[in-house]
Order: sequence, then C-alpha cells, then structure tokens
Amino acid sequence: GNSVTQMEGPVTLSEEAFLTINCTYTATGYPSLFWYVQYPGEGLQLLLKATKADDKGSNKGFEATYRKETTSFHLEKGSVQVSDSAVYFCAFPSNTGNQFYFGTGTSLTVIP
Amino acid sequence: GAGVSQSPSNKVTEKGKDVELRCDPISGHTALYWYRQSLGQGLEFLIYFQGNSAPDKSGLPSDRFSAERTGGSVSTLTIQRTQQEDSAVYLCASSPRSGTSTYEQYFGPGTRLTVT
Repeated sequence: GNSVTQMEGPVTLSEEAFLTINCTYTATGYPSLFWYVQYPGEGLQLLLKATKADDKGSNKGFEATYRKETTSFHLEKGSVQVSDSAVYFCAFPSNTGNQFYFGTGTSLTVIP
Repeated sequence: GAGVSQSPSNKVTEKGKDVELRCDPISGHTALYWYRQSLGQGLEFLIYFQGNSAPDKSGLPSDRFSAERTGGSVSTLTIQRTQQEDSAVYLCASSPRSGTSTYEQYFGPGTRLTVT
C-alpha cells in the first residue's frame, strides 16, 4: 500500500551546518511529492513540492529532487539557521486526491 | 486572505463526554480534510469532503467519530463518548483542487483535544 518512510529524529545541528532529511515513498504511479513544515505552535505549511520525476522543488534555501528510480524525495539545505527549527513532514496525495499520506515527521533543532 | 481556522484551539473533556471540533476552510476551497496527529506519530487521515459529493469516511477509526460539512463550507468533527486514546491534535486542511495548486493542502492550526 501507499506509505512514506522518513528519517527518524530528532536531529540537532549547529547553525550553518548542512541538512539532509531522508524520505522514501511507496505509491501507485507517480504522485506529486511535498514537504510540509510545522514550526513550534503553528499549523503545517507547505515548504516545497515537485510534480514529476527529476523536478526540483525549492523554497527558503531548502531543496528536494523527485527521484523516480529510488522513490525518494530527500530534503536538503546547505546552511541551516536557528529559525529552521521545526518538524518536517514528507507527503504525497492518493491517486484520487482524497487523502495525503504523511511520514511521521522529523524534528530538527538548530543550535547557535 | 484568511487561512483555515479551527476552534477551539484547546479542548479538555472528561472521558465519556461528546465533543465537537469546528473547521472554517479557505473561501472557495472545495476540498476539506480532517487528520489526527498523535504524539510521535504522523498525520492519520480521518475524512475527506469534496464539493457536494459523498464524503470519504474510510479513515474514521470508529463509529464514535462523525463529520459533516454544511453548505460546502464549515465542517464539524464530532467525537461521541470520548476515550483517552482520542487525545490528539485534530487538524483540518482545505484545498482548491484546481490548476497548479491541485492537491496542495492548506492547514489550520489544529485543535488539541485532551480526554481526562
């Protein structure tokens, strides 16, 4: 069935460190892929998305490339900031769009 | 414009009581979703509404859970005879389901439900 496997957290990094959060998926077909971010005390917000294979989504210095061969959508950022501390969720919609499948979330803490 | 709003933001209730959670989606969004986020877990799909179509209730965990959407806008999630395992954050999301935004979901801040 459909599922998302995300790198387990929590992840703690120093400011300006390189970030990778792994995400792999099992899906029927080739759905659009999303990363959502949840800042402390807030709701989930769309961070970036990619709609087809080899597409790269990017926003706020974060990037993720849709890899069909490895069914992956890893999130990267070259230099994290304290303000990036949040929980990150990888997700994709069902074929009919009636629901999204989410990973369990990866908590990131960036220390000065 | 206004985002998705949910009320109440926090709800504490005694085991066995009924609760109602409300969601106001973004105006014009035809799709509305309810999810449950338990501590340390991902988001668990509960129910989906699309326009005037019959809702997809396949994610509701038991018959104590129900939801309705009036006039294609506001939605209410009702949990009857609450149990301690119902304690979680209940998230609502809406989506325009059109154009390049197809399938992108916009989330509300959630309602934190605590059953004592």
